[in-house]
Amino acid sequence: DAGVIQSPRHEVTEMGQEVTLRCKPISGHDYLFWYRQTMMRGLELLIYFNNNVPIDDSGMPEDRFSAKMPNASFSTLKIQPSEPRDSAVYFCASSGILTGNTIYFGEGSWLTVV
Amino acid sequence: DAKTTQPTSMDCAEGRAANLPCNHSTISGNEYVYWYRQIHSQGPQYIIHGLKNNETNEMASLIITEDRKSSTLILPHATLRDTAVYYCIVRVDGTSYGKLTFGQGTILTVHP
Repeated sequence: DAGVIQSPRHEVTEMGQEVTLRCKPISGHDYLFWYRQTMMRGLELLIYFNNNVPIDDSGMPEDRFSAKMPNASFSTLKIQPSEPRDSAVYFCASSGILTGNTIYFGEGSWLTVV
Repeated sequence: DAKTTQPTSMDCAEGRAANLPCNHSTISGNEYVYWYRQIHSQGPQYIIHGLKNNETNEMASLIITEDRKSSTLILPHATLRDTAVYYCIVRVDGTSYGKLTFGQGTILTVHP
């Protein structure tokens, strides 16, 4: 399997613009997680889905952030409008019974908002 | 999830064993100990996990004390590529909703 695939790997955008990050989980996994990593706060869980349904979004920082999972093989994390403090690395991860419930991470999307 | 305590940083000579400790004194009976590592600018990588028995795989060994209040990750022959941040996490297993809560981890530096 190719693992968790994220795009784009790097994005630089101007403040106020909409940003969309994409994730393809490992095939057969039924849990999908979005994490954010910054120097100040480390790795934080933003939201996770089970069978395409959001289960816990308590980590989503504010209404400017939204996440969707329209099907089992695709998820998006959207920031609108973006702000400089949103600059971070965003990781997508997935897990499922097929791989013993271990959570596997993608390589991340590096976002810079200027 | 139970809180874990790890040293901020450790050094290890290449070719020697790296022993990374973790304290998890408030661990519950249904919580597993997981280890991940993060090499600079990459996503966290799963290493190993266990409940109460010692575990070994191709990457590392995990030693859990009998009272389960602490554990040690052992990299038997550290290489320069093992330089990374190592995270010890306790997590409810058995179902996938056991989310991972990351602490600050241990920065392991392997030197020639």
